[in-house]
Amino acid sequence: DAGVTQSPTHLIKTRGQQVTLRCSPKSGHDTVSWYQQALGQGPQFIFQYYEEEERQRGNFPDRFSGHQFPNYSSELNVNALLLGDSALYLCASSLRTGSDTGELFFGEGSRLTVL
Amino acid sequence: GQQVMQIPQYQHVQEGEDFTTYCNSSTTLSNIQWYKQRPGGHPVFLIQLVKSGEVKKQKRLTFQFGEAKKNSSLHITATQTTDVGTYFCAGPGYSGAGSYQLTFGKGTKLSVIP
Repeated sequence: DAGVTQSPTHLIKTRGQQVTLRCSPKSGHDTVSWYQQALGQGPQFIFQYYEEEERQRGNFPDRFSGHQFPNYSSELNVNALLLGDSALYLCASSLRTGSDTGELFFGEGSRLTVL
Repeated sequence: GQQVMQIPQYQHVQEGEDFTTYCNSSTTLSNIQWYKQRPGGHPVFLIQLVKSGEVKKQKRLTFQFGEAKKNSSLHITATQTTDVGTYFCAGPGYSGAGSYQLTFGKGTKLSVIP
């Protein structure tokens, strides 16, 4: 049973460029959440997708956008990259149960460096 | 918005010593989760606490949820080098329509000196 997979694992971009990160959730999971983790910090919630719609959004600018596909996989897009966007981007999958319990399964993350 | 705070930020212990990290939420939580992230790794779920005053044990790890459901702690007895990593607590935050997201603390980074 494959866990959460993310690609690419590492990438380097320059300021102003755009990046797309990809995530396949754990088998059987229908909800994908994206987190940004700066060095030495806890994961910060970006947004969550369920049924191909953005359901919740954290305090991130519109430069951050996403998409969920019918097979539940998801993409995170960041436009007009800034140096401060350098971080580990984590995808977490879960099964929407209607309650707020239930663990998140994280992928290995995509390490983005913006020069 | 909801805030989750953890102390200490760093803890260095000699192998065999005990370790405790504390988590406090600005709001009452319906439940709290704990995750561990090894160096260079990703967060891995450890446990979830739901009931007021709940205490759960996993081998040398003891997790506690406060009576007011606003604080929690993780205690490790007789630390080992395998305990090295950053421990995060996380609580659910809501934005309506039955949706919630987990808000993470900044974590406590544990170093174990052999």
